[in-house]
Amino acid sequence: GAVVSQHPSRVICKSGTSVKIECRSLDFQATTMFWYRQFPKKSLMLMATSNEGSKATYEQGVEKDKFLINHASLTLSTLTVTSAHPEDSSFYICSAPRASGTYEQYFGPGTRLTVT
Amino acid sequence: AQSVTQLDSHVSVSEGTPVLLRCNYSSSYSPSLFWYVQHPNKGLQLLLKYTSAATLVKGINGFEAEFKKSETSFHLTKPSAHMSDAAEYFCVVSRSGNTPLVFGKGTRLSVIA
Repeated sequence: GAVVSQHPSRVICKSGTSVKIECRSLDFQATTMFWYRQFPKKSLMLMATSNEGSKATYEQGVEKDKFLINHASLTLSTLTVTSAHPEDSSFYICSAPRASGTYEQYFGPGTRLTVT
Repeated sequence: AQSVTQLDSHVSVSEGTPVLLRCNYSSSYSPSLFWYVQHPNKGLQLLLKYTSAATLVKGINGFEAEFKKSETSFHLTKPSAHMSDAAEYFCVVSRSGNTPLVFGKGTRLSVIA
């Protein structure tokens, strides 16, 4: 079964509004989670690293004031797209590494954001 | 720095014929390598992973990949394609379990009946 969940799976919002996406590790603790963005028919691009208890680390070119990340607990990270615009429409995916030495990360099912 | 190059953006095969999806990697460290599959409008599914154990890795659904350090390659193969294999495939490299994954650009596999 799924070990990382995302909510919502789909969201449609109007320009100028904010949208929050949740990423939860279901049966393990994750001090680190990663947020990726995928444009249509493109690969995944790392946006930021979410760290429990400290500020997120953003990749070059990603606006930290627009994409707010909060790692609220050892099982929850949230990504808030503030003042969304149509160009923010995308597929957002989170992942969490499991501290088991297998080097495997578990991906959430993704959130499809459409900004009208 | 790490990177992966997927040599083909699109591969088309007939059902029942072999599949070969090519991937070359670059890494300053001993890498962990993965292949993920993504069906349309779906999330990512791990097919297989290499983490410095056996160089020939067997995954789900009949896929396998061979790590060749001398060629810096990690090509994905399957002896006989099935219609359900049509999807986007990503070759991925990681330094360690707690670092972000670096994705290749993806290869779209089409399977013709």
